[in-house]
Amino acid sequence: DAMVIQNPRYQVTQFGKPVTLSCSQTLNHNVMYWYQQKSSQAPKLLFHYYDKDFNNEADTPDNFQSRRPNTSFCFLDIRSPGLGDAAMYLCATSREVGGTDTQYFGPGTRLTVL
Amino acid sequence: GQNIDQPTEMTATEGAIVQINCTYQTSGFNGLFWYQQHAGEAPTFLSYNVLDGLEEKGRFSSFLSRSKGYSYLLLKELQMKDSASYLCAALDSNYQLIWGAGTKLIIKP
Repeated sequence: DAMVIQNPRYQVTQFGKPVTLSCSQTLNHNVMYWYQQKSSQAPKLLFHYYDKDFNNEADTPDNFQSRRPNTSFCFLDIRSPGLGDAAMYLCATSREVGGTDTQYFGPGTRLTVL
Repeated sequence: GQNIDQPTEMTATEGAIVQINCTYQTSGFNGLFWYQQHAGEAPTFLSYNVLDGLEEKGRFSSFLSRSKGYSYLLLKELQMKDSASYLCAALDSNYQLIWGAGTKLIIKP
């Protein structure tokens, strides 16, 4: 089945210790998104890639970086995690950006910062 | 500013019908999505409305009124597995998704 895969599902890191979350997709979609979602809150878009074009949201902290080495994979790097970065991180894909295409989500990675 | 409002929590009985409302204020509008999200899991797509009216899909229906900036999700014949959060999200003029915080639906036997 075509899908969006995130690894790991649960990640524990220490305050200030860099961490990388990964996302892969078999849908061959052009667009990949990273969202941060805290408990009982709306998903917050951090950035998205349209193919190799990177688009950062204005209020995304510099602490968050992303890489997309190819169509299938996208990584979220948190350079110095703080306690406030503990959240569910959701990867999503869509065929195009700037349209009405549905976004398909991966299962998420729940990040705990100790 | 852009805003999505939906109730924080609702409770309903198994087998009953429930309507989850959503109002939106966006700069431009290119449609509205409803997603279902079970606790600790990713959102999954339920519906997309861009024209006024009711779209029915099995036990779930979604309604849109563009003039009122209003949508609702109607769930019929509720099952215990319908216990989840339901997220409303509107596409603005730049095709950016503006998300609501979700309505947590609790189903009681």
